[in-house]
Amino acid sequence: SYELTQPLSVSVALGQTARITCGGNNIGSKNVHWYQQKPGQAPVLVIYRDSNRPSGIPERFSGSNSGNTATLTISRAQAGDEADYYCQVWDSSTWVFGGGTKLTVL
Amino acid sequence: EVQLVESGGGLVQPGRSLRLSCAASGFTFDDYAMHWVRQAPGKGLEWVSGISWNSGSIGYADSVKGRFTISRDNAKNSLYLQMNSLRAEDTALYYCAKGRGDGYNLDFDYWGQGTLVTVSS
Repeated sequence: SYELTQPLSVSVALGQTARITCGGNNIGSKNVHWYQQKPGQAPVLVIYRDSNRPSGIPERFSGSNSGNTATLTISRAQAGDEADYYCQVWDSSTWVFGGGTKLTVL
Repeated sequence: EVQLVESGGGLVQPGRSLRLSCAASGFTFDDYAMHWVRQAPGKGLEWVSGISWNSGSIGYADSVKGRFTISRDNAKNSLYLQMNSLRAEDTALYYCAKGRGDGYNLDFDYWGQGTLVTVSS
């Protein structure tokens, strides 16, 4: 089965840029989606199809996908961006989530 | 405003059954695929099952295949998950999620708040 690998944690200084990676075999050939989950809340879609932002998601959130790595980039990180982030792909008629990355804003 | 409200969770003994429901509003329910996603305490997200707009396409995670059944009633704007032969490892918060389109191979653009299922004797 297809596997997605994310770092357990990423830290970023307030106002700086955070990058969260999602690794998978030839993931660049797939559509990658990203979800943000704050403590005690349901997940929220922040990026779909590699680099598209749903309405209401700040432009500070962007995504890219190439080769074996997809990346979620959060520019000018704010305290409110602290959350768990999950990548997701569709593979072999099933949905696969990455293990999640905890983003800490210092 | 899109709203997804799950219900039906609770404490159940191993081997027993439970039926979850998700009431949808704020969008044309029968235009979209729907999903169940679960999250065990302190763990990540796991897709459980998905169903296309007309129930013509249905999929399950290997971990629940043969035990869980997803269904929908478009007349009632409702999604269901029948869970049989429950195991301790099925303990989780179960989320209902809306697909972006009519097939269940598109991302999930709205999520409910979840209903907690605890399997324990």
